[in-house]
Amino acid sequence: VQLVQSGAEVQKPGASVKVSCKASGYSFDSYGISWVRQAPGQGLEWMGWISVYNGYSNYAQKFQGRVTLTTDTSTSTAHMELRSLRSDDTAVYFCAKEGAAPYHFFEYWGQGTLVTVSS
Amino acid sequence: EIVLTQSPGTLSLSPGERATLSCRASQSVSSSYLAWYQQKPGQAPRLLIYGASSRATGIPDRFSGSGSGTDFTLTISRLEPEDFAVYYCHHYGSSPYTFGQGTKLEIK
Repeated sequence: VQLVQSGAEVQKPGASVKVSCKASGYSFDSYGISWVRQAPGQGLEWMGWISVYNGYSNYAQKFQGRVTLTTDTSTSTAHMELRSLRSDDTAVYFCAKEGAAPYHFFEYWGQGTLVTVSS
Repeated sequence: EIVLTQSPGTLSLSPGERATLSCRASQSVSSSYLAWYQQKPGQAPRLLIYGASSRATGIPDRFSGSGSGTDFTLTISRLEPEDFAVYYCHHYGSSPYTFGQGTKLEIK
């Protein structure tokens, strides 16, 4: 199992960023994908998850209205778009493959994508 | 939202010693929905334990998890040099999924 994420991004405040996560080594549409972020020197923060099987998504209230999770089963890729970026969105963003439903532990992780928000 | 509080914040031990890390939940958590992760600097977290006590694939048996209700424990029976890292507990039973703030295990 491998999750390979897109490269580092630098964005200005107010802009949007879209991070991708390409999965391999398992049946992509059989497991959910969660997104977790980690600000510099801080702990882990769950953002939301998506069912690859039916596209259902669930977001942490903190990110409601600013984040959209999508998947493309033709390329086994998940995407996370975060809009209206602020400086405190500067963080490493991880995608993670979940365990078999309904167990949403994070079995495998991508390598992380650093998003820097700076004017 | 279930708040997870880990203690201690930092644990200083020597290789060969036993480590006991605690995770307390603000309300009862089903044992089926509690996990532990290890994270080293510059790396993604790695799943150690799920379902409170089941070891993930490839995890050495010196790592064990226990607990129920609001109190959970990760035990490392004999510390190896590669075990010094930050450990997080994680609840995934209901949204929003939450993490503890982490326990840093450092070499004494």
